[in-house]
Amino acid sequence: DQQVKQNSPSLSVQEGRISILNCDYTNSMFDYFLWYKKYPAEGPTFLISISSIKDKNEDGRFTVFLNKSAKHLSLHIVPSQPGDSAVYFCAASARAGTYKYIFGTGTRLKVLA
Amino acid sequence: DGGITQSPKYLFRKEGQNVTLSCEQNLNHDAMYWYRQDPGQGLRLIYYSQIVNDFQKGDIAEGYSVSREKKESFPLTVTSAQKNPTAFYLCASSITGQLNTEAFFGQGTRLTVV
Repeated sequence: DQQVKQNSPSLSVQEGRISILNCDYTNSMFDYFLWYKKYPAEGPTFLISISSIKDKNEDGRFTVFLNKSAKHLSLHIVPSQPGDSAVYFCAASARAGTYKYIFGTGTRLKVLA
Repeated sequence: DGGITQSPKYLFRKEGQNVTLSCEQNLNHDAMYWYRQDPGQGLRLIYYSQIVNDFQKGDIAEGYSVSREKKESFPLTVTSAQKNPTAFYLCASSITGQLNTEAFFGQGTRLTVV
């Protein structure tokens, strides 16, 4: 049973436009959410995170929105740049009990110049 | 520099052989993790350890074993019982005891079993 889902395997966006990557989760115990960026044959690098006590977190061109009632989060990249082309994973964690991170299946973003 | 190191980057093994993947971190993190990446399946948790001498099975632990004898090291053994061992393996670590911390990943090991 996939607890963290990224239903769009791929997304193409023109340079300069907004990229919106979506993530849904099923476990209501999750209270911390993260986005990672990954290039082929490399480890994921941490991008941005959000705690369940917030509904928005912003860091430069990257903003993450959390809708707890819908169990949905999204990553907005504005403006998108060709260097943003990568696979993006969302991850979730439940502080109570363990510190393990559950990842989604990833969305491949391609930013077209 | 602090970081998490996986070695080797590429590994080839014959079917039926056990193989051990190395993961070392000098970040003083208590928790360490092993994930496996397959196309279209994201990162799936194999094993994790929150403290030395303790580890827990993740979602796909069958055919794998780990040890956590030292805080810095969390080696993963892919045994001959693992039916589809060819994959990209990622090790990660994180702080425990603090809220809202991220996991840091190594560069991965691509294992090919022929």
